[in-house]
Amino acid sequence: NAGVTQTPKFRVLKTGQSMTLLCAQDMNHEYMYWYRQDPGMGLRLIHYSVGEGTTAKGEVPDGYNVSRLKKQNFLLGLESAAPSQTSVYFCASSWGRLNQPQHFGDGTRLSIL
Amino acid sequence: RKEVEQDPGPFNVPEGATVAFNCTYSNSASQSFFWYRQDCRKEPKLLMSVYSSGNEDGRFTAQLNRASQYISLLIRDSKLSDSATYLCVVNNRSGGSNYKLTFGKGTLLTVNP
Repeated sequence: NAGVTQTPKFRVLKTGQSMTLLCAQDMNHEYMYWYRQDPGMGLRLIHYSVGEGTTAKGEVPDGYNVSRLKKQNFLLGLESAAPSQTSVYFCASSWGRLNQPQHFGDGTRLSIL
Repeated sequence: RKEVEQDPGPFNVPEGATVAFNCTYSNSASQSFFWYRQDCRKEPKLLMSVYSSGNEDGRFTAQLNRASQYISLLIRDSKLSDSATYLCVVNNRSGGSNYKLTFGKGTLLTVNP
């Protein structure tokens, strides 16, 4: 009963490097989301997807790209990592309809040096 | 007015105390509401949904006041394990039949022995 699984759990990058964070859910949810959480800022939505093959920008999309090629997977890419992208990244999924909460993965801690 | 606003705390209470948090929201058309809890360095987890008539789950009571646009969470007989950050979450229609959750920044609760 995995729910939402994020990989990797931790990563340290150098400025300018690229990487992809993977999110997988086994609940057949339509919606998937990527958030970042920084001290004092709360959860901020980066990008989200309302279904396979669709993506949309959230509150803080700059510097990130996403893809949803399969319904169960949502990938978050950093093309050229910057120190400002040091954060904890959470993926979530939901049915996206009224009264439906989101279910979160346990996060990826990313440090950019 | 921010979409979802919470007192960041911290609230420091002794074991056994009753504590209440409020959360205000700006969109009068908001459809549904939730309380999440987040432990330090962990992912947010759904605590309870908030229903129009108010609802209770053990020691936790959630209330909704649509006229004043706020929701509340009451915790009775606080336990050490209740120490966490409590996130207020509001669900708004984002177009068509789709909905979007907006998270507050959270209220930090510490229950002391």
